[in-house]
This record gives sequence, C-alpha cells and structure tokens, in this order.
Amino acid sequence: GAVVSQHPSWVICKSGTSVKIECRSLDFQATTMFWYRQFPKQSLMLMATSNEGSKATYEQGVEKDKFLINHASLTLSTLTVTSAHPEDSSFYICSASRLYWGNTEAFFGQGTRLTVV
Amino acid sequence: TQLLEQSPQFLSIQEGENLTVYCNSSSVFSSLQWYRQEPGEGPVLLVTVVTGGEVKKLKRLTFQFGDARKDSSLHITAAQPGDTGLYLCAGDETSGSRLTFGEGTQLTVNP
Repeated sequence: GAVVSQHPSWVICKSGTSVKIECRSLDFQATTMFWYRQFPKQSLMLMATSNEGSKATYEQGVEKDKFLINHASLTLSTLTVTSAHPEDSSFYICSASRLYWGNTEAFFGQGTRLTVV
Repeated sequence: TQLLEQSPQFLSIQEGENLTVYCNSSSVFSSLQWYRQEPGEGPVLLVTVVTGGEVKKLKRLTFQFGDARKDSSLHITAAQPGDTGLYLCAGDETSGSRLTFGEGTQLTVNP
C-alpha cells in the first residue's frame, strides 16, 4: 500500500505555545488530505479536509483559527495547533486518499500524540 | 453525509473463538474499506470491497460486502491475541475522495 508519513509521533508543549504537525505522502501525490482527532478507544473524528493550493474545509465545531492547515504541495499538509491548551491534548492523525481502480483508498500517518501541559 | 453504524462497539473474547463485526448503513456506498488500528498508531488498510455480494479473505479474516452495497461484515476465525485492536469500516462517498467512518469496534482477544 501507499505510504504516508506523519511527524512528530509525539510532542509535549507548554500551554499557550503552538505546535506544527506534518503529513507527507511519500509515494503518491495527494490533492486531498484529511486531519482527524481521536480520543481513546474511539473512532476517528474528521476535523478538516486539506486541499492542495486552496483553503481547508473545516468540519462543524472545529475552529479554523485554532487549527491552521496548510497544503502547500501535493505531498505535504501541515496542521498547526495554535495557542494550545490542555484540552487540545489528543491523538491527531492525517490521511491521504488516492483513487485505486475508481475507488477511494485512504492511507494514514502514524499519528501524533499531543500533550499540552 | 452518509452514516455507518458499526457493531459491536466493544468485544472481548478468548483465544480461539470466532467473531463477527458488522457495518451497516441506509445509504449505498461505491466501496467499503476495513482498517485495523493498534494503540498509538494510525489505521492500516486491510481490504477494499467493491462489488455487491463480494467476499474477500485475508488469512483468518473474511470480509463480505452486502448485495445492496449498504452493509459489510468482518468475520475472524480462531481469533488470536495478535488480532487485538480497533477495527474500523469506512465507506467511499460517491461525491469525492472523502471516507465516512464507522464508530469502530474495539476487539480484545485474551490468551
């Protein structure tokens, strides 16, 4: 399958600082990437859809000014958690989709465990 | 947005037992994927089913897509502790490359 690399795998930051998470598709071009948040033993909650060369589309209830998304190239999307607070602590996962024989397949990064202290 | 209902949400069984996870929707999907996720990692694609009634096997895992392409099941035979993880189904919305995920099934196989 395709490879999506997410970095860092974990980060601890102080409350009020910003954290950037990178998501790269290593062996295919992804015009669309997705950012998810996941709580323990729960499914993925879609935060936003990252579109290459245009603004991200945010899901209802997700603050676009807090979770800045940039998709500057076909292989890289970044999520910046601005002015992080302890309630932002979570597992963040990105995915990149490709069409395979006309059907969508999603490949996920390894996830980033964010802890805000 | 199409919704996928996944059941059961939690499942704890003994090694060697069989189990089935269900994924249901009132809507039709062009395809459906199953993923497995281990703690602290991203989900890994297991299989994609496309055709109504399709059955795919991956060692002890059997995946089936409903005839009407509204539901799917994952059957594991003789479960092993290594099968422990979060299983997610995801449907391909026909409008684009966005997937709709089920709520997930947390499977624990005890030795």
